[in-house]
Amino acid sequence: GDSVTQMEGPVTLSEEAFLTINCTYTATGYPSLFWYVQYPGEGLQLLLKATKADDKGSNKGFEATYRKETTSFHLEKGSVQVSDSAVYFCALSDPWDSWGKLQFGAGTQVVVTP
Amino acid sequence: DTAVSQTPKYLVTQMGNDKSIKCEQNLGHDTMYWYKQDSKKFLKIMFSYNNKELIINETVPNRFSPKSPDKAHLNLHINSLELGDSAVYFCASSQNPGQGVNGYTFGSGTRLTVV
Repeated sequence: GDSVTQMEGPVTLSEEAFLTINCTYTATGYPSLFWYVQYPGEGLQLLLKATKADDKGSNKGFEATYRKETTSFHLEKGSVQVSDSAVYFCALSDPWDSWGKLQFGAGTQVVVTP
Repeated sequence: DTAVSQTPKYLVTQMGNDKSIKCEQNLGHDTMYWYKQDSKKFLKIMFSYNNKELIINETVPNRFSPKSPDKAHLNLHINSLELGDSAVYFCASSQNPGQGVNGYTFGSGTRLTVV
Protein backbone atom coordinates (compact mmCIF):
# COMPACT_ATOMS: atom_id res chain seq x y z
CA GLY A 1 0.00 0.00 0.00
CA ASP A 2 0.88 3.65 -0.17
CA SER A 3 3.12 5.02 2.53
CA VAL A 4 5.13 8.07 3.50
CA THR A 5 8.33 8.00 5.50
CA GLN A 6 9.86 11.10 6.98
CA MET A 7 12.81 11.71 9.23
CA GLU A 8 12.25 11.45 12.93
CA GLY A 9 12.41 14.45 15.14
CA PRO A 10 12.80 16.49 17.04
CA VAL A 11 15.05 18.57 14.86
CA THR A 12 16.58 21.38 16.89
CA LEU A 13 18.40 24.22 15.21
CA SER A 14 19.33 27.84 15.73
CA GLU A 15 17.65 30.81 14.10
CA GLU A 16 18.90 31.47 10.55
CA ALA A 17 20.10 27.89 10.13
CA PHE A 18 19.30 25.77 7.09
CA LEU A 19 16.48 23.26 7.49
CA THR A 20 15.98 20.02 5.61
CA ILE A 21 13.32 17.44 6.41
CA ASN A 22 13.55 14.27 4.37
CA CYS A 23 10.45 12.61 2.98
CA THR A 24 10.19 9.53 0.76
CA TYR A 25 7.10 7.80 -0.46
CA THR A 26 5.76 4.56 -1.89
CA ALA A 27 2.76 4.71 -4.21
CA THR A 28 1.14 2.71 -6.98
CA GLY A 29 0.69 5.55 -9.44
CA TYR A 30 1.83 9.13 -9.62
CA PRO A 31 0.63 10.78 -6.44
CA SER A 32 0.25 14.40 -5.52
CA LEU A 33 2.59 15.34 -2.70
CA PHE A 34 2.06 17.80 0.13
CA TRP A 35 3.72 19.35 3.13
CA TYR A 36 1.48 20.38 6.01
CA VAL A 37 2.50 22.34 9.09
CA GLN A 38 0.95 22.14 12.55
CA TYR A 39 1.75 24.96 14.95
CA PRO A 40 1.34 24.26 18.67
CA GLY A 41 -2.29 23.85 19.64
CA GLU A 42 -3.57 24.33 16.09
CA GLY A 43 -4.83 22.27 13.18
CA LEU A 44 -2.87 21.39 10.08
CA GLN A 45 -2.27 23.99 7.39
CA LEU A 46 -1.24 23.26 3.84
CA LEU A 47 2.29 24.60 3.39
CA LEU A 48 3.01 23.60 -0.21
CA LYS A 49 2.23 20.96 -2.78
CA ALA A 50 3.40 19.40 -6.06
CA THR A 51 1.25 17.38 -8.39
CA LYS A 52 3.71 15.92 -10.89
CA ALA A 53 7.34 14.95 -11.25
CA ASP A 54 9.91 17.80 -11.18
CA ASP A 55 7.31 20.27 -9.88
CA LYS A 56 8.60 22.53 -7.14
CA GLY A 57 6.22 23.70 -4.44
CA SER A 58 7.11 26.81 -2.48
CA ASN A 59 5.59 28.98 0.22
CA LYS A 60 6.84 31.19 3.08
CA GLY A 61 10.46 30.50 2.15
CA PHE A 62 9.97 26.72 2.17
CA GLU A 63 10.56 24.63 -0.94
CA ALA A 64 10.17 21.00 -1.96
CA THR A 65 10.75 19.33 -5.32
CA TYR A 66 8.88 16.23 -6.49
CA ARG A 67 11.60 13.71 -7.42
CA LYS A 68 10.09 10.68 -9.10
CA GLU A 69 13.44 8.96 -9.62
CA THR A 70 14.18 8.95 -5.90
CA THR A 71 10.52 8.96 -4.78
CA SER A 72 11.28 11.91 -2.54
CA PHE A 73 9.82 15.28 -1.59
CA HIS A 74 12.29 16.82 0.84
CA LEU A 75 11.37 20.08 2.54
CA GLU A 76 13.97 22.87 2.76
CA LYS A 77 14.24 26.37 4.10
CA GLY A 78 17.33 28.47 3.84
CA SER A 79 17.02 30.50 7.03
CA VAL A 80 14.60 29.45 9.73
CA GLN A 81 12.96 31.66 12.32
CA VAL A 82 11.70 30.90 15.81
CA SER A 83 8.18 31.16 14.39
CA ASP A 84 8.90 28.12 12.18
CA SER A 85 8.85 25.89 15.25
CA ALA A 86 6.10 23.39 14.50
CA VAL A 87 5.41 19.83 13.44
CA TYR A 88 5.77 19.22 9.71
CA PHE A 89 3.92 16.44 7.92
CA CYS A 90 4.66 15.03 4.50
CA ALA A 91 1.61 13.52 2.78
CA LEU A 92 0.52 11.98 -0.48
CA SER A 93 -2.73 11.54 -2.35
CA ASP A 94 -2.77 8.68 -4.80
CA PRO A 95 -4.85 9.18 -7.97
CA TRP A 96 -5.50 5.41 -8.04
CA ASP A 97 -7.44 6.02 -4.86
CA SER A 98 -10.50 7.66 -6.38
CA TRP A 99 -11.39 9.35 -3.15
CA GLY A 100 -8.07 11.13 -2.81
CA LYS A 101 -7.37 9.88 0.66
CA LEU A 102 -4.41 11.74 2.19
CA GLN A 103 -1.76 9.46 3.63
CA PHE A 104 0.47 11.20 6.19
CA GLY A 105 3.97 10.57 7.39
CA ALA A 106 4.62 10.41 11.12
CA GLY A 107 5.48 14.10 11.38
CA THR A 108 8.76 15.82 12.25
CA GLN A 109 8.92 18.27 15.11
CA VAL A 110 11.15 21.27 14.44
CA VAL A 111 12.37 23.45 17.28
CA VAL A 112 14.12 26.70 16.40
CA THR A 113 15.99 28.46 19.19
CA PRO A 114 16.94 32.15 19.23
CA ASP B 1 -15.04 33.47 8.95
CA THR B 2 -13.84 29.99 9.96
CA ALA B 3 -13.66 27.57 7.02
CA VAL B 4 -13.84 24.29 8.96
CA SER B 5 -15.08 24.58 12.51
CA GLN B 6 -15.25 21.87 15.16
CA THR B 7 -16.97 21.89 18.50
CA PRO B 8 -16.07 21.46 21.23
CA LYS B 9 -12.38 22.35 21.21
CA TYR B 10 -11.79 20.44 24.45
CA LEU B 11 -13.75 17.53 25.85
CA VAL B 12 -13.01 15.78 29.13
CA THR B 13 -15.24 12.87 30.03
CA GLN B 14 -15.33 9.67 32.02
CA MET B 15 -14.92 6.15 30.69
CA GLY B 16 -18.14 4.59 29.51
CA ASN B 17 -19.79 7.87 28.53
CA ASP B 18 -21.15 8.69 25.08
CA LYS B 19 -20.05 11.91 23.40
CA SER B 20 -20.33 13.72 20.08
CA ILE B 21 -18.05 16.05 18.17
CA LYS B 22 -19.50 18.33 15.52
CA CYS B 23 -17.92 19.65 12.35
CA GLU B 24 -19.12 22.20 9.84
CA GLN B 25 -17.48 23.61 6.71
CA ASN B 26 -18.52 26.71 4.79
CA LEU B 27 -16.26 26.14 1.79
CA GLY B 28 -18.83 24.38 -0.36
CA HIS B 29 -16.65 21.26 -0.43
CA ASP B 30 -18.20 17.93 -1.29
CA THR B 31 -16.03 15.68 0.86
CA MET B 32 -15.39 15.66 4.59
CA TYR B 33 -13.10 13.55 6.76
CA TRP B 34 -12.33 12.61 10.34
CA TYR B 35 -8.74 11.99 11.37
CA LYS B 36 -7.39 10.87 14.73
CA GLN B 37 -4.04 12.20 15.98
CA ASP B 38 -2.45 10.23 18.79
CA SER B 39 -0.05 11.42 21.46
CA LYS B 40 2.91 10.90 19.11
CA LYS B 41 1.29 13.17 16.52
CA PHE B 42 0.55 10.28 14.16
CA LEU B 43 -2.48 11.02 11.95
CA LYS B 44 -4.83 8.27 10.86
CA ILE B 45 -7.92 8.62 8.74
CA MET B 46 -11.11 7.27 10.25
CA PHE B 47 -13.99 8.15 7.95
CA SER B 48 -14.86 10.13 4.87
CA TYR B 49 -18.18 11.26 3.41
CA ASN B 50 -18.84 12.56 -0.08
CA ASN B 51 -22.14 14.37 -0.46
CA LYS B 52 -23.53 12.63 2.63
CA GLU B 53 -22.42 9.20 1.44
CA LEU B 54 -19.85 7.18 3.39
CA ILE B 55 -16.86 6.50 1.11
CA ILE B 56 -14.02 5.67 3.49
CA ASN B 57 -14.43 3.59 6.60
CA GLU B 58 -11.08 2.52 7.99
CA THR B 59 -10.60 -0.07 10.68
CA VAL B 60 -12.28 1.77 13.52
CA PRO B 61 -14.20 0.28 16.46
CA ASN B 62 -17.93 0.34 15.81
CA ARG B 63 -18.29 2.47 18.93
CA PHE B 64 -17.42 5.30 16.54
CA SER B 65 -20.29 6.33 14.30
CA PRO B 66 -20.12 9.22 11.85
CA LYS B 67 -23.19 11.02 10.65
CA SER B 68 -23.54 13.52 7.81
CA PRO B 69 -26.91 15.31 7.75
CA ASP B 70 -25.79 17.36 4.73
CA LYS B 71 -22.60 17.88 2.83
CA ALA B 72 -21.57 20.80 5.04
CA HIS B 73 -21.70 18.81 8.28
CA LEU B 74 -19.98 15.69 9.52
CA ASN B 75 -20.44 14.69 13.13
CA LEU B 76 -18.70 11.96 15.09
CA HIS B 77 -20.45 10.09 17.86
CA ILE B 78 -18.50 7.86 20.21
CA ASN B 79 -20.17 5.31 22.48
CA SER B 80 -18.76 3.75 25.63
CA LEU B 81 -15.62 5.84 25.67
CA GLU B 82 -12.35 4.14 26.58
CA LEU B 83 -9.03 5.52 27.83
CA GLY B 84 -7.46 4.71 24.47
CA ASP B 85 -9.85 7.05 22.71
CA SER B 86 -8.00 10.01 24.19
CA ALA B 87 -6.56 11.90 21.23
CA VAL B 88 -7.03 14.96 19.09
CA TYR B 89 -9.70 14.50 16.45
CA PHE B 90 -9.48 16.58 13.29
CA CYS B 91 -12.20 17.25 10.79
CA ALA B 92 -11.20 18.19 7.24
CA SER B 93 -12.80 18.89 3.89
CA SER B 94 -11.74 18.87 0.25
CA GLN B 95 -13.14 19.87 -3.10
CA ASN B 96 -11.50 17.40 -5.49
CA PRO B 97 -11.36 14.02 -3.86
CA GLY B 98 -10.76 12.27 -7.13
CA GLN B 99 -7.27 13.64 -7.49
CA GLY B 100 -6.62 15.11 -4.13
CA VAL B 101 -4.63 17.81 -5.87
CA ASN B 102 -5.84 20.61 -3.68
CA GLY B 103 -5.27 18.87 -0.39
CA TYR B 104 -7.53 19.30 2.58
CA THR B 105 -8.64 22.16 4.79
CA PHE B 106 -8.47 21.15 8.43
CA GLY B 107 -10.36 22.26 11.48
CA SER B 108 -8.48 23.26 14.62
CA GLY B 109 -9.14 19.93 16.33
CA THR B 110 -11.00 18.57 19.32
CA ARG B 111 -8.83 17.34 22.18
CA LEU B 112 -10.67 14.45 23.81
CA THR B 113 -9.47 13.27 27.21
CA VAL B 114 -11.06 10.19 28.73
CA VAL B 115 -10.48 9.78 32.48
